Amino acid sequence: EAQVTQNPRYLITVTGKKLTVTCSQNMNHEYMSWYRQDPGLGLRQIYYSMNVEVTDKGDVPEGYKVSRKEKRNFPLILESPSPNQTSLYFCASSFFEGGELFFGEGSRLTVL
Amino acid sequence: KQEVTQIPAALSVPEGENLVLNCSFTDSAIYNLQWFRQDPGKGLTSLLLIQSSQREQTSGRLNASLDKSSGRSTLYIAASQPGDSATYLCAVRPVIQGAQKLVFGQGTRLTINP
Repeated sequence: EAQVTQNPRYLITVTGKKLTVTCSQNMNHEYMSWYRQDPGLGLRQIYYSMNVEVTDKGDVPEGYKVSRKEKRNFPLILESPSPNQTSLYFCASSFFEGGELFFGEGSRLTVL
Repeated sequence: KQEVTQIPAALSVPEGENLVLNCSFTDSAIYNLQWFRQDPGKGLTSLLLIQSSQREQTSGRLNASLDKSSGRSTLYIAASQPGDSATYLCAVRPVIQGAQKLVFGQGTRLTINP
């Protein structure tokens, strides 16, 4: 089944404890992206990648890092999480940067 | 800067009705427009993608139209069912910001009453 898989789906952590949210797609997509969704603010792009080793900042990149060492994986790294990073995170992918976008199920992160 | 607006924010209709959801955007220079549905606590499911050169797309009971010159898109749902209850979001790819950028509306929360 074609899908975008995120892990973990739910996570509660404490301020400053590094964490990684993994994202993997099995559709051979070149383009991948991370979003966060917050009430009243909608979906905002954090980072995106147009291909292996090519990443760039979205609208809200502060406090996040990404890497794209393999085509199928695009992990989101929070080096030192803070409470304002409590949010619902989505990974998405498409064949190319303007193509139909497919989303993962989301990862709900709470930072205490 | 491209802005996307969806009105109303919430809509409740009885089962079986045909309905229209609206999406408007401020800059008509777009690559494409995509409609999604989102169930509570879940990810977004792609419904329809309309390229800038197209006027409409259809999938089952769904029909999406695009009028670039007026900055509008509509999602038509025929013979609505309780399972259609969800939040519907539209998103555009603005030319000026690049195809990698997707600007979302805030969504319309749709409830279909049995």
